[in-house]
Amino acid sequence: DSGVTQTPKHLITATGQRVTLRCSPRSGDLSVYWYQQSLDQGLQFLIHYYNGEERAKGNILERFSAQQFPDLHSELNLSSLELGDSALYFCASSPPGRKTGELFFGEGSRLTVL
Amino acid sequence: QQQVKQSPQSLIVQKGGISIINCAYENTAFDYFPWYQQFPGKGPALLIAIRPDVSEKKEGRFTISFNKSAKQFSLHIMDSQPGDSATYFCAASMGNAGNMLTFGGGTRLMVKP
Repeated sequence: DSGVTQTPKHLITATGQRVTLRCSPRSGDLSVYWYQQSLDQGLQFLIHYYNGEERAKGNILERFSAQQFPDLHSELNLSSLELGDSALYFCASSPPGRKTGELFFGEGSRLTVL
Repeated sequence: QQQVKQSPQSLIVQKGGISIINCAYENTAFDYFPWYQQFPGKGPALLIAIRPDVSEKKEGRFTISFNKSAKQFSLHIMDSQPGDSATYFCAASMGNAGNMLTFGGGTRLMVKP
């Protein structure tokens, strides 16, 4: 158990809909990273938040947005969903201070868009 | 743009054999190279990592070999076991990007008993 909690574990929805994925980082971790894992794209970095502030953006679509709240949990919002958005979405956290290079991943949220 | 290329995509090894997974990177600013292991239904977990000031790092049956001039690194799993069957990802990060990792495409390893 990495200590990172993601909900929901599974989500099935229709095209055009909007969903919110939630992530609680490990206790004490200030950074939250979101990754998308699809069969043909591997693990793609979406966005990084540190202590409530956006720090870096990767290949995140304009239809997607995220935020990190004062209690450090994060939410990834996916809107106007398309079939191609079906994927596993992982959240990861890392401790503050010295860069260790280690990310602690949750078990992911599997999104299926029908 | 895929900055870390990983091969092979899949690998079948007999129990007791050596599993070898290779990765190549493009960005010379990368300064940290971890390998992550992912079992079905789980998130990736750090397996072993190396920095470019060393050419090899060994932890138990797992060894990373690093070739800075060729911009390549590889994971060797000695005495492969069925329990090693998983997907392996190489990754890289750079000093000014915190712990943000750029991942390779992954290798699905199956170790046959």
